Amino acid sequence: AQKITQTQPGMFVQEKEAVTLDCTYDTSDQSYGLFWYKQPSSGEMIFLIYQGSYDEQNATEGRYSLNFQKARKSANLVISASQLGDSAMYFCAMREGGDYKLSFGAGTTVTVRA
Amino acid sequence: NAGVTQTPKFQVLKTGQSMTLQCAQDMNHNSMYWYRQDPGMGLRLIYYSASEGTTDKGEVPNGYNVSRLNKREFSLRLESAAPSQTSVYFCASSERGLTYEQYFGPGTRLTVT
Repeated sequence: AQKITQTQPGMFVQEKEAVTLDCTYDTSDQSYGLFWYKQPSSGEMIFLIYQGSYDEQNATEGRYSLNFQKARKSANLVISASQLGDSAMYFCAMREGGDYKLSFGAGTTVTVRA
Repeated sequence: NAGVTQTPKFQVLKTGQSMTLQCAQDMNHNSMYWYRQDPGMGLRLIYYSASEGTTDKGEVPNGYNVSRLNKREFSLRLESAAPSQTSVYFCASSERGLTYEQYFGPGTRLTVT
Protein backbone atom coordinates (compact mmCIF):
# COMPACT_ATOMS: atom_id res chain seq x y z
CA ALA A 1 0.00 0.00 0.00
CA GLN A 2 1.14 3.52 -0.72
CA LYS A 3 2.50 5.18 2.39
CA ILE A 4 2.30 8.70 0.99
CA THR A 5 -0.41 9.85 -1.40
CA GLN A 6 -0.34 13.12 -3.27
CA THR A 7 -3.47 13.30 -5.37
CA GLN A 8 -2.76 16.53 -7.28
CA PRO A 9 -0.36 15.91 -10.18
CA GLY A 10 -0.32 19.58 -11.16
CA MET A 11 -1.65 22.92 -9.96
CA PHE A 12 -1.71 26.47 -11.24
CA VAL A 13 -1.70 29.42 -8.86
CA GLN A 14 -1.73 33.16 -9.41
CA GLU A 15 1.23 35.13 -8.09
CA LYS A 16 0.65 36.46 -4.55
CA GLU A 17 -2.12 33.95 -3.87
CA ALA A 18 -1.92 31.03 -1.45
CA VAL A 19 -1.88 27.40 -2.57
CA THR A 20 -2.48 24.19 -0.63
CA LEU A 21 -0.81 20.94 -1.64
CA ASP A 22 -2.46 17.79 -0.35
CA CYS A 23 -0.67 14.91 1.31
CA THR A 24 -2.16 11.92 3.09
CA TYR A 25 -0.11 9.22 4.76
CA ASP A 26 -0.53 5.73 6.07
CA THR A 27 1.31 4.39 9.09
CA SER A 28 0.58 2.34 12.17
CA ASP A 29 3.49 3.87 14.10
CA GLN A 30 2.71 6.42 16.81
CA SER A 31 6.03 8.16 16.25
CA TYR A 32 6.71 9.45 12.75
CA GLY A 33 7.84 12.55 10.92
CA LEU A 34 6.50 14.29 7.84
CA PHE A 35 8.58 16.32 5.43
CA TRP A 36 8.05 18.51 2.42
CA TYR A 37 10.74 18.96 -0.22
CA LYS A 38 10.85 21.28 -3.22
CA GLN A 39 12.43 20.27 -6.51
CA PRO A 40 12.85 23.16 -8.97
CA SER A 41 13.50 22.55 -12.65
CA SER A 42 17.23 22.54 -11.92
CA GLY A 43 16.69 19.22 -10.17
CA GLU A 44 18.01 19.62 -6.63
CA MET A 45 15.93 18.56 -3.63
CA ILE A 46 15.38 21.36 -1.12
CA PHE A 47 14.04 20.67 2.36
CA LEU A 48 11.14 22.99 3.26
CA ILE A 49 9.44 21.96 6.46
CA TYR A 50 9.09 19.18 9.03
CA GLN A 51 6.27 18.05 11.33
CA GLY A 52 6.70 15.47 14.05
CA SER A 53 3.77 13.28 15.02
CA TYR A 54 3.91 14.50 18.62
CA ASP A 55 4.15 18.17 17.71
CA GLU A 56 1.04 19.94 18.92
CA GLN A 57 1.54 23.03 16.84
CA ASN A 58 1.51 23.11 13.05
CA ALA A 59 4.99 23.70 11.68
CA THR A 60 5.76 27.00 9.95
CA GLU A 61 8.82 28.16 8.05
CA GLY A 62 8.47 31.60 6.51
CA ARG A 63 5.82 31.41 3.79
CA TYR A 64 5.46 27.65 4.26
CA SER A 65 3.12 26.10 6.79
CA LEU A 66 2.07 22.54 7.34
CA ASN A 67 -1.59 21.86 8.09
CA PHE A 68 -1.28 18.71 10.20
CA GLN A 69 -4.50 16.78 10.85
CA LYS A 70 -3.44 13.67 12.70
CA ALA A 71 -6.83 11.98 12.90
CA ARG A 72 -7.27 12.35 9.15
CA LYS A 73 -3.64 11.41 8.51
CA SER A 74 -3.08 14.45 6.37
CA ALA A 75 -0.14 16.86 6.21
CA ASN A 76 -0.96 19.51 3.66
CA LEU A 77 1.57 22.16 2.68
CA VAL A 78 0.35 25.74 2.41
CA ILE A 79 2.44 28.23 0.49
CA SER A 80 1.31 31.77 1.14
CA ALA A 81 1.87 34.76 -1.16
CA SER A 82 3.12 32.63 -4.05
CA GLN A 83 6.11 33.85 -6.03
CA LEU A 84 7.28 32.93 -9.52
CA GLY A 85 10.23 31.15 -7.91
CA ASP A 86 7.82 28.77 -6.17
CA SER A 87 7.18 27.03 -9.51
CA ALA A 88 8.54 23.54 -8.87
CA MET A 89 7.67 19.95 -8.01
CA TYR A 90 6.80 19.42 -4.35
CA PHE A 91 7.20 16.11 -2.56
CA CYS A 92 5.70 14.94 0.69
CA ALA A 93 7.70 12.31 2.58
CA MET A 94 7.46 10.33 5.83
CA ARG A 95 9.84 8.73 8.28
CA GLU A 96 8.36 6.06 10.56
CA GLY A 97 9.38 5.23 14.11
CA GLY A 98 13.12 5.18 14.67
CA ASP A 99 13.72 4.32 11.04
CA TYR A 100 16.03 6.45 8.96
CA LYS A 101 14.34 5.85 5.64
CA LEU A 102 11.95 8.22 3.90
CA SER A 103 8.95 7.20 1.82
CA PHE A 104 8.05 9.76 -0.83
CA GLY A 105 4.83 10.62 -2.60
CA ALA A 106 4.65 11.00 -6.38
CA GLY A 107 4.83 14.79 -6.14
CA THR A 108 2.75 17.79 -7.19
CA THR A 109 3.89 20.25 -9.84
CA VAL A 110 3.09 23.85 -9.00
CA THR A 111 3.14 26.53 -11.67
CA VAL A 112 2.88 30.13 -10.52
CA ARG A 113 1.40 32.52 -13.07
CA ALA A 114 2.26 36.23 -13.18
CA ASN B 1 31.19 23.13 3.06
CA ALA B 2 30.04 21.32 -0.10
CA GLY B 3 27.30 19.22 1.54
CA VAL B 4 26.57 16.14 -0.57
CA THR B 5 28.43 15.77 -3.85
CA GLN B 6 27.80 13.23 -6.61
CA THR B 7 29.78 12.23 -9.67
CA PRO B 8 29.18 12.09 -12.54
CA LYS B 9 26.34 14.52 -13.28
CA PHE B 10 25.39 12.77 -16.51
CA GLN B 11 26.17 9.33 -17.92
CA VAL B 12 25.13 7.33 -20.95
CA LEU B 13 25.68 3.57 -20.86
CA LYS B 14 25.00 0.76 -23.25
CA THR B 15 23.02 -2.23 -22.04
CA GLY B 16 25.32 -4.60 -20.17
CA GLN B 17 27.96 -2.03 -19.26
CA SER B 18 28.86 -1.42 -15.64
CA MET B 19 29.51 1.76 -13.74
CA THR B 20 29.82 3.21 -10.25
CA LEU B 21 28.10 6.34 -9.04
CA GLN B 22 30.09 8.15 -6.39
CA CYS B 23 28.71 10.07 -3.44
CA ALA B 24 30.48 11.95 -0.66
CA GLN B 25 29.29 14.13 2.20
CA ASP B 26 31.27 16.48 4.42
CA MET B 27 28.69 16.95 7.19
CA ASN B 28 29.93 14.04 9.32
CA HIS B 29 26.59 12.30 8.94
CA ASN B 30 26.26 8.68 9.94
CA SER B 31 23.49 7.69 7.52
CA MET B 32 23.56 7.74 3.73
CA TYR B 33 21.05 6.77 1.05
CA TRP B 34 20.64 6.13 -2.65
CA TYR B 35 17.35 6.93 -4.38
CA ARG B 36 16.15 6.80 -7.92
CA GLN B 37 13.61 9.17 -9.38
CA ASP B 38 11.41 8.17 -12.28
CA PRO B 39 8.68 10.32 -13.84
CA GLY B 40 5.41 10.18 -11.90
CA MET B 41 6.83 7.94 -9.16
CA GLY B 42 8.61 10.20 -6.74
CA LEU B 43 11.84 8.99 -5.17
CA ARG B 44 12.32 5.34 -4.35
CA LEU B 45 14.98 4.06 -1.99
CA ILE B 46 17.50 1.69 -3.54
CA TYR B 47 19.91 1.07 -0.64
CA TYR B 48 20.87 2.82 2.52
CA SER B 49 23.61 2.75 5.13
CA ALA B 50 22.51 3.58 8.65
CA SER B 51 26.12 3.86 9.79
CA GLU B 52 29.62 3.16 8.57
CA GLY B 53 30.05 -0.55 7.98
CA THR B 54 26.36 -1.34 7.44
CA THR B 55 24.20 -1.39 4.34
CA ASP B 56 20.61 -2.46 3.81
CA LYS B 57 18.24 -2.90 0.91
CA GLY B 58 15.55 -0.39 0.23
CA GLU B 59 12.46 -0.64 -1.92
CA VAL B 60 14.11 -1.30 -5.30
CA PRO B 61 17.56 -2.92 -4.78
CA ASN B 62 17.59 -5.38 -7.70
CA GLY B 63 20.39 -4.74 -10.18
CA TYR B 64 22.41 -2.57 -7.79
CA ASN B 65 25.15 -2.97 -5.22
CA VAL B 66 26.53 -0.47 -2.75
CA SER B 67 29.69 0.12 -0.77
CA ARG B 68 30.04 2.31 2.28
CA LEU B 69 33.71 3.04 1.78
CA ASN B 70 34.07 5.14 4.91
CA LYS B 71 31.94 7.59 6.85
CA ARG B 72 32.07 10.14 4.04
CA GLU B 73 31.56 8.01 0.94
CA PHE B 74 28.77 5.76 -0.30
CA SER B 75 28.94 4.37 -3.84
CA LEU B 76 26.29 2.72 -6.00
CA ARG B 77 27.28 0.16 -8.61
CA LEU B 78 25.38 -1.08 -11.62
CA GLU B 79 27.02 -4.36 -12.63
CA SER B 80 25.12 -4.88 -15.90
CA ALA B 81 23.07 -1.85 -16.84
CA ALA B 82 19.58 -2.29 -18.28
CA PRO B 83 17.30 0.26 -19.99
CA SER B 84 14.96 -0.01 -16.95
CA GLN B 85 17.73 1.61 -14.91
CA THR B 86 17.47 4.84 -16.90
CA SER B 87 16.66 7.32 -14.16
CA VAL B 88 17.92 10.19 -12.06
CA TYR B 89 19.89 8.97 -9.05
CA PHE B 90 20.12 10.94 -5.83
CA CYS B 91 22.41 10.39 -2.91
CA ALA B 92 21.42 11.78 0.50
CA SER B 93 22.73 11.84 4.04
CA SER B 94 21.26 12.45 7.46
CA GLU B 95 22.13 12.43 11.13
CA ARG B 96 20.20 11.54 14.28
CA GLY B 97 18.53 14.60 15.65
CA LEU B 98 15.18 16.23 16.01
CA THR B 99 14.05 15.62 12.46
CA TYR B 100 16.51 13.18 10.76
CA GLU B 101 16.29 15.60 7.83
CA GLN B 102 17.95 14.25 4.71
CA TYR B 103 20.31 16.40 2.67
CA PHE B 104 20.46 15.59 -1.03
CA GLY B 105 23.15 15.71 -3.65
CA PRO B 106 22.52 17.30 -7.07
CA GLY B 107 21.69 14.01 -8.76
CA THR B 108 23.10 11.92 -11.61
CA ARG B 109 21.09 11.57 -14.81
CA LEU B 110 21.74 8.09 -16.20
CA THR B 111 20.56 6.88 -19.59
CA VAL B 112 20.95 3.24 -20.59
CA THR B 113 20.50 2.55 -24.31
